[in-house]
Amino acid sequence: ELKVEQNPLFLSMQEGKNYTIYCNYSTTSDRLYWYRQDPGKSLESLFVLLSNGAVKQEGRLMASLDTKARLSTLHITAAVHDLSATYFCAVINTNAGKSTFGDGTTLTVKP
Amino acid sequence: DTEVTQTPKHLVMGMTNKKSLKCEQHMGHRAMYWYKQKAKKPPELMFVYSYEKLSINESVPSRFSPECPNSSLLNLHLHALQPEDSALYLCASSPYTGKGGGYTFGSGTRLTVV
Repeated sequence: ELKVEQNPLFLSMQEGKNYTIYCNYSTTSDRLYWYRQDPGKSLESLFVLLSNGAVKQEGRLMASLDTKARLSTLHITAAVHDLSATYFCAVINTNAGKSTFGDGTTLTVKP
Repeated sequence: DTEVTQTPKHLVMGMTNKKSLKCEQHMGHRAMYWYKQKAKKPPELMFVYSYEKLSINESVPSRFSPECPNSSLLNLHLHALQPEDSALYLCASSPYTGKGGGYTFGSGTRLTVV
């Protein structure tokens, strides 16, 4: 059974600081997603990582994938209040057509 | 059109009611999904239609019944639901369940069972 673990689950940080969210998964997979969810809203796709060593950046967010370590990271640079949300990673088992989400990291950025 | 459209946005139903949730996409995606999300929890996959072939999460009770009339439409029929079924129901689509392609999520239907 595929398991996805995110940490931390809750993150409170000050504006301007840097931090990293970690996503570990238990079995091999060829796709990993990062999503953002604002309270009461749907999921917004941030990144799709398709191969080992993949790195993608959008604004203050950068995601990377290490398939050998079964680890993905979401790095936040110089956080701003607008980044406050819950961030999920999700791993896809394409053979089974299944997706498994981590528990999410609730990020609060304070002035 | 790069959206997944879900209707209704909110639904309140009694335990003896029958209702349906609808999802539509016109991106040519051939895989569509239903997810259930409880408050402060990650989404849980309920059903997958890939090229109109159904895959089921076996833990989903039979009071939920999916239907895929064509590759652009996905319905979720609800019957005799329980209060614990109250949740946000999300539809998503992707180009295919193979390599590549990202998920696009709809805005969700907030379901309350009374």
